[in-house]
Amino acid sequence: EVQLVESGGGLVQPGGSLRLSCAASGFTLGSFWIHWVRQASGKGLEWVSRINSDGTTITYADSVKGRFTISRDNAKNTGYLQMHSLRVEDTAVYYCARDPRDGYSHYDYWGQGTLVTVSS
Amino acid sequence: EIVLTQSPGTLSLSPGERASLSCRASQSVSNKYLAWYQQKPGQAPRLLIYGISNRATGIPDRFSGSGSGTDFTLTISRLEPEDFAVYYCQQYDGSSYTFGQGTKLEIK
Repeated sequence: EVQLVESGGGLVQPGGSLRLSCAASGFTLGSFWIHWVRQASGKGLEWVSRINSDGTTITYADSVKGRFTISRDNAKNTGYLQMHSLRVEDTAVYYCARDPRDGYSHYDYWGQGTLVTVSS
Repeated sequence: EIVLTQSPGTLSLSPGERASLSCRASQSVSNKYLAWYQQKPGQAPRLLIYGISNRATGIPDRFSGSGSGTDFTLTISRLEPEDFAVYYCQQYDGSSYTFGQGTKLEIK
C-alpha cells in the first residue's frame, strides 16, 4: 500500500526552526518528485516547495524562499523540509505529496499532514 | 504567477443533482497542467482529475473535467452523499504551482 507519513510538526516560537520528514512506504520515493503543500486552519491549499527525483531541481514559493530548505534521502525513502526563521503566518498543516511526473503535473498521493504552530 | 479563481464559493445542492464547479485562470494554462482535488474535513486532499479531463485511479465516472485555456469545469453528474466536500483546482505554469481558493459543495 502506498503511504506517505509526515512527522516533525509541533509548537515553535517565532524565529525558531523545525524539520519535517515525509517517510514513504509501498513504493520507491526516488522515482517521484516530492512537494510540500500547507493549509492554514480553515483556509485553502498553498504550494510550498518541490524537489525532483535526484535532488538537483528545487523550487520554492516566494513566501518561504530563503527560510525553508527542501531535501531528500532516497536511500531512506524520505523527504524533508527544514524550516528556519518561522513566522506566525507559517502556522498550518503541512502535507507532503508525490508527483508522478507522468507528463502531467499533479499529486496522486498525499500524507495525512503534520501541524506546525508558530506562537509565542 | 497564474491566479486561479473558483466559483461559486459555496454550492448548495441535493443528492442526485448535477454539480458544475468553475475554475478560471488569470492566464492560459497548459492542457497537461490542470488538476482537481477533493478534500473532506480532517483529511488530506484526494486527486480526482489531472490533465484537465483524466480521472485518477479509483475515481467514479460521475466525476468529469473539461475546459481549455483559462476556463475549466469539474462536473459531478449525479451527486452522492459522499461527494459533499471542498474542491480545489490546481495548475503548474512551468515555474510555480497555484491552487484555487476552493468551492464548498454542501447539502441543500
